[in-house]
Amino acid sequence: GDSVTQMEGPVTLSEEAFLTINCTYTATGYPSLFWYVQYPGEGLQLLLKATKADDKGSNKGFEATYRKETTSFHLEKGSVQVSDSAVYFCALSGQGGYQKVTFGTGTKLQVIP
Amino acid sequence: DVKVTQSSRYLVKRTGEKVFLECVQDMDHENMFWYRQDPGLGLRLIYFSYDVKMKEKGDIPEGYSVSREKKERFSLILESASTNQTSMYLCAIQTGPYEQYFGPGTRLTVT
Repeated sequence: GDSVTQMEGPVTLSEEAFLTINCTYTATGYPSLFWYVQYPGEGLQLLLKATKADDKGSNKGFEATYRKETTSFHLEKGSVQVSDSAVYFCALSGQGGYQKVTFGTGTKLQVIP
Repeated sequence: DVKVTQSSRYLVKRTGEKVFLECVQDMDHENMFWYRQDPGLGLRLIYFSYDVKMKEKGDIPEGYSVSREKKERFSLILESASTNQTSMYLCAIQTGPYEQYFGPGTRLTVT
């Protein structure tokens, strides 16, 4: 079945550092790919998405490119802020049937001043 | 803006109690979902519903049931709560192709 693997956390960075959170997936067909973010004490929010190969999703300075050849969707940000401290979930949604979303286990990011 | 509310942010129940978790949306979305979130396991789908009175089992339905009598309300029921059901419970609605919008979550502790 479908699965998502993302890097273990927690990740601790200094403010203004470059961020990469790795995500790879296994799925049949052509899934849509997502990054969700969960701030402390809140539910998940959709951060960005890509629906086909080579698409780049972007939002709030975060970017991720749908790489079908490497089955990856790594999250990047050029300069993180303290306010980016959160848990980040990579996810995919396969085609057909009901639109089930499969989530990774989450990566906690802590940004220190 | 879409709004998804969950009946409680924090809940403490005793083993064997029947527990109701409520989720209410303020839009006319058909698909609603219940997940539980546990450290190291991410989100796992318990049940989902694609219309009133319609439901489908997710990946971990054991020990849970659901009810959807009205389109805007989707309830998760723990028939007899156990300590291994201590978790964060998240309700979500489908807002677009493959996209989900989440409520704030209910942190349930079963003692």
